[in-house]
Amino acid sequence: NAGVTQTPKFRVLKTGQSMTLLCAQDMNHEYMYWYRQDPGMGLRLIHYSVGEGTTAKGEVPDGYNVSRLKKQNFLLGLESAAPSQTSVYFCASSYFLAGASYNEQFFGPGTRLTVL
Amino acid sequence: GEDVEQSLFLSVREGDSSVINCTYTDSSSTYLYWYKQEPGAGLQLLTYIFSNMDMKQDQRLTVLLNKKDKHLSLRIADTQTGDSAIYFCAVTSGGYNKLIFGAGTRLAVHP
Repeated sequence: NAGVTQTPKFRVLKTGQSMTLLCAQDMNHEYMYWYRQDPGMGLRLIHYSVGEGTTAKGEVPDGYNVSRLKKQNFLLGLESAAPSQTSVYFCASSYFLAGASYNEQFFGPGTRLTVL
Repeated sequence: GEDVEQSLFLSVREGDSSVINCTYTDSSSTYLYWYKQEPGAGLQLLTYIFSNMDMKQDQRLTVLLNKKDKHLSLRIADTQTGDSAIYFCAVTSGGYNKLIFGAGTRLAVHP
């Protein structure tokens, strides 16, 4: 199993450009998440999904959109990139088991995005 | 909103014990986690503790939870150079396995 994969690994954008980050998981997980990691601030949740066709806002959703058309994929879109969106983006997935003791989040390797 | 705080940096000598501390505000958090991030990589779960436990030991790792003070710590015994990484404290918040992360503690291990 590949686990959680992210495409691309690196990207440089100019202000105002758009792009889509792709996250794929092969563990049949119900829940998927997008985070951004900035120095000294840890990981902050952008958007998440609890199942195919569903999405919800996290802590810092402004400037981002997401879609979950297939269970295994979770896309993060930037419609008009801004320098403040320069960050490392991580995707994660998690299973849901009713009554489970704990539910680990599995992380992808990250996408380093620079907006000039 | 909920908050998780950690000191940003810790330096220890190889072979010594490392203690990384974390405080949190959400008293309803049921699970508390420690994740490890090595350079250029994603996060990997290191260990976790359920909120009704005071301590959990897993080989070189000891997790202590003081629920009254909302304080979590991770002790790494016999710290090795391979333990150099960023360690994140995270707590469950708001359902759907959502997590709130601390800023991360960078552990540097020197000879």
